Amino acid sequence: DAGVIQSPRHEVTEMGQEVTLRCKPISGHNSLFWYRQTMMRGLELLIYFNNNVPIDDSGMPEDRFSAKMPNASFSTLKIQPSEPRDSAVYFCASSPTRQETQYFGPGTRLLVL
Amino acid sequence: QKEVEQNSGPLSVPEGAIASLNCTYSDRGSQSFFWYRQYSGKSPELIMSIYSNGDKEDGRFTAQLNKASQYVSLLIRDSQPSDSATYLCAVNIYSNYQLIWGAGTKLIIKP
Repeated sequence: DAGVIQSPRHEVTEMGQEVTLRCKPISGHNSLFWYRQTMMRGLELLIYFNNNVPIDDSGMPEDRFSAKMPNASFSTLKIQPSEPRDSAVYFCASSPTRQETQYFGPGTRLLVL
Repeated sequence: QKEVEQNSGPLSVPEGAIASLNCTYSDRGSQSFFWYRQYSGKSPELIMSIYSNGDKEDGRFTAQLNKASQYVSLLIRDSQPSDSATYLCAVNIYSNYQLIWGAGTKLIIKP
């Protein structure tokens, strides 16, 4: 089992640029979560998909953030335009049907200059 | 008011001693409770889950749940330097498979 796969692992960009983070959940898992983690705010849920449908996006900070899940094996989180305050580690996690245990990917460390 | 609270630490424990980590939650309807471990620069990984009042043991780890008092604890026996990490408590509050996370407790095991 390959686990949750995220790319890129590190991203350095300049303010105003578009950033796209990618996630491949564990095969057979039907729930997918995007989190952001910072020292100040800890682990924050951004958006939660179930069967490719966004269920709760109340954690998405503002319109600059968007997320899609076009199929069961792929999701993207896009930030456009990026700002320095978006610098954080972004995790993707997935969980099996009707289970709450979440399995995390390695994360994408984003730095916006 | 935070829904899941943990002492941020750091909690310093000598090697070989018992480390005790605590977590309180606000919603009496919560049914599922999880402890994750996160090493610096790594992603959270599940250590234990607990669903019923009482103790659940797995090797050196014991989770304790008290729903009446709304707290869940994690005990680590015979602490090792490799146990040094941040421990995150997570609770299912909304019964929709989302987890609410505490801020985490940083644990340091001193050799």
